[in-house]
Amino acid sequence: AQKVTQAQTEISVVEKEDVTLDCVYETRDTTYYLFWYKQPPSGELVFLIRRNSFDEQNEISGRYSWNFQKSTSSFNFTITASQVVDSAVYFCALSEDGMNRDDKIIFGKGTRLHILP
Amino acid sequence: GAGVSQTPSNKVTEKGKYVELRCDPISGHTALYWYRQSLGQGPEFLIYFQGTGAADDSGLPNDRFFAVRPEGSVSTLKIQRTERGDSAVYLCASSLQAGELFFGEGSRLTVL
Repeated sequence: AQKVTQAQTEISVVEKEDVTLDCVYETRDTTYYLFWYKQPPSGELVFLIRRNSFDEQNEISGRYSWNFQKSTSSFNFTITASQVVDSAVYFCALSEDGMNRDDKIIFGKGTRLHILP
Repeated sequence: GAGVSQTPSNKVTEKGKYVELRCDPISGHTALYWYRQSLGQGPEFLIYFQGTGAADDSGLPNDRFFAVRPEGSVSTLKIQRTERGDSAVYLCASSLQAGELFFGEGSRLTVL
């Protein structure tokens, strides 16, 4: 069965600090997708990234970067030079066998990130 | 707007009543998902549709919950004999490519 664990319930950092959100997943499939979503205080979940299980290359998008390591079943998310607007709940998610079609997506419990001015 | 629309945004009902929650996905999105989210928790998968058919309904908690998508667009989540434990935010999302879900603002259900 698939499972996503976000061990950090809540993190607070001062603005401009770097912060890493951890995500560990479990799956029996060799083909799967991993995701990160952001839920700001307004409540609407926003897609950030999708990574398939065959692509372990790390990705950077502006101040955001993602580190995918199959050896440790982890897909961690780092925000550099954090800003107050980054304050939100961040969810890691997993979809099995979702290479070319949609499949159910299982979410972790989320990490609430507070960026203090 | 062009996003996922959910109605009602808030619903307060009494225990034992029947409730319908509606989701209008982004036009052209073939996949539609229902999740529910309790306070401080992640979205919990309920059901997803590919077109008109339920591709996976393994997350529906019991037979009081049912969802339809008769024409492959709008979907309705139906909850019979509501219980206090059904109180949550019910989220709908639609998708065109695997995993990139576009979520609505949710329907907050409160069962008294």
